[in-house]
Amino acid sequence: DAGITQSPRHKVTETGTPVTLRCHQTENHRYMYWYRQDPGHGLRLIHYSYGVKDTDKGEVSDGYSVSRSKTEDFLLTLESATSSQTSVYFCAFSREGTDTQYFGPGTRLTVL
Amino acid sequence: GQQVMQIPQYQHVQEGEDFTTYCNSSTTLSNIQWYKQRPGGHPVFLIQLVKSGEVKKQKRLTFQFGEAKKNSSLHITATQTTDVGTYFCAGGYNNNDMRFGAGTRLTVKP
Repeated sequence: DAGITQSPRHKVTETGTPVTLRCHQTENHRYMYWYRQDPGHGLRLIHYSYGVKDTDKGEVSDGYSVSRSKTEDFLLTLESATSSQTSVYFCAFSREGTDTQYFGPGTRLTVL
Repeated sequence: GQQVMQIPQYQHVQEGEDFTTYCNSSTTLSNIQWYKQRPGGHPVFLIQLVKSGEVKKQKRLTFQFGEAKKNSSLHITATQTTDVGTYFCAGGYNNNDMRFGAGTRLTVKP
C-alpha cells in the first residue's frame, strides 16, 4: 500500500453539523489532495496542498475548508454539512516532480 | 473550461471479449493518466502517456495517446473477470490542472 490512511472510513451525520475528515500519510510528501467521487462525475478536486499551511482551491471547493498544520496530516472540514455533500471522499498524495495520484481508501459520508 | 469526457459510462462484456474506453479533451493535454478502481476500492494508477501518438502496453492492456494530444484510449484484449472495475482517465494540462473523466464501469460475465 502507498502509506496513506483516512479516518473515519464511514460516517453518517445530520444536515447542519460540522464534519472533519482526516488524511494521514507516512512518507513526508509535500503534495496532498482531497477529491469527492459521485456517480457520473468521476473524481473532482476539492482542495489541494503543496506544503504545511499552503493550500488552494480545486474545482468544487464551495462548502469545504482544509488545514495542513503538519506534513503528514491533511484535514477536510465541512463547516455545516448538507445533503449534497453525501459522497465518497478520497485523499491522495503525489510524489515530488510528478502528478501521479496515490489514493487513500476513502471515506463514505452520508448527510441525512 | 478544461474538461475530459469519457465514454462509454458502462460496458458489459462476455469474458473473452475485448473492451475499449475513450477519453477526449477539448484542449490539448500535456499528459494523460489511467487509473483502475475495483468495486469498493480506491483508484490505482496504471500508466501515464506523455508523447503525441504514444502507445504503451501492459499485458492485455493497450493505451494510446492521440496525435493531437486531445484524446486517449484504453483497450483490453480478451477480458477476464479480474478486469472488472471502473477505469478512469485523468488529463493533465499545462497549467498543472488535472481533470478526471467520469469513468467507464466494466462488468464481465463469466
